[in-house]
Amino acid sequence: EPEVTQTPSHQVTQMGQEVILRCVPISNHLYFYWYRQILGQKVEFLVSFYNNEISEKSEIFDDQFSVERPDGSNFTLKIRSTKLEDSAMYFCASRWAPGEADTQYFGPGTRLTVL
Amino acid sequence: GEDVEQSLFLSVREGDSSVINCTYTDSSSTYLYWYKQEPGAGLQLLTYIFSNMDMKQDQRLTVLLNKKDKHLSLRIADTQTGDSAIYFCAERDGGSQGNLIFGKGTKLSVKP
Repeated sequence: EPEVTQTPSHQVTQMGQEVILRCVPISNHLYFYWYRQILGQKVEFLVSFYNNEISEKSEIFDDQFSVERPDGSNFTLKIRSTKLEDSAMYFCASRWAPGEADTQYFGPGTRLTVL
Repeated sequence: GEDVEQSLFLSVREGDSSVINCTYTDSSSTYLYWYKQEPGAGLQLLTYIFSNMDMKQDQRLTVLLNKKDKHLSLRIADTQTGDSAIYFCAERDGGSQGNLIFGKGTKLSVKP
């Protein structure tokens, strides 16, 4: 069964450093998402991406964040200058190919630890 | 804004039924979902229900939707120790590009 994959599974970085989290969505899906889950809290929406551009973003997704689909398979989340409060689990998700039920499939997540 | 609420904990004995409840606020939600998260793992889609349905059954899982009260429940029949996990209710944000709004999750503990 197709699945969303994410790398790395765990990333440790120093405050102020840039990180890139990588995702490979399910091929032929058209919508892509990033969510984050701070330890013990809700899963929160960050950004959605469709047709090679951001379609929606939350208040959390400020100028420090950017997303890119550099080729036909990868979908990346970049945090330019990490802060302690960026420590969280980051989930990538994808959904929908024509004819499919409208459900989002999540990757296993990348645990980001900012020291 | 839209919100999804769930009770935080549920403890049952193996073999019993578990019922996890959820309330949501966005009446324009078209789809509602249940996801399962095992320790250290990602979000596994368990089941979903379209807003024009009252009930959906999938093997041991039964989803009930009361759209008038904006109440969603997940019943797990014959609960097993392997069902121990956190269960997230989520609604599709009606005004968005399919973004999901999650509850805080219900931690289900199954005792042998």
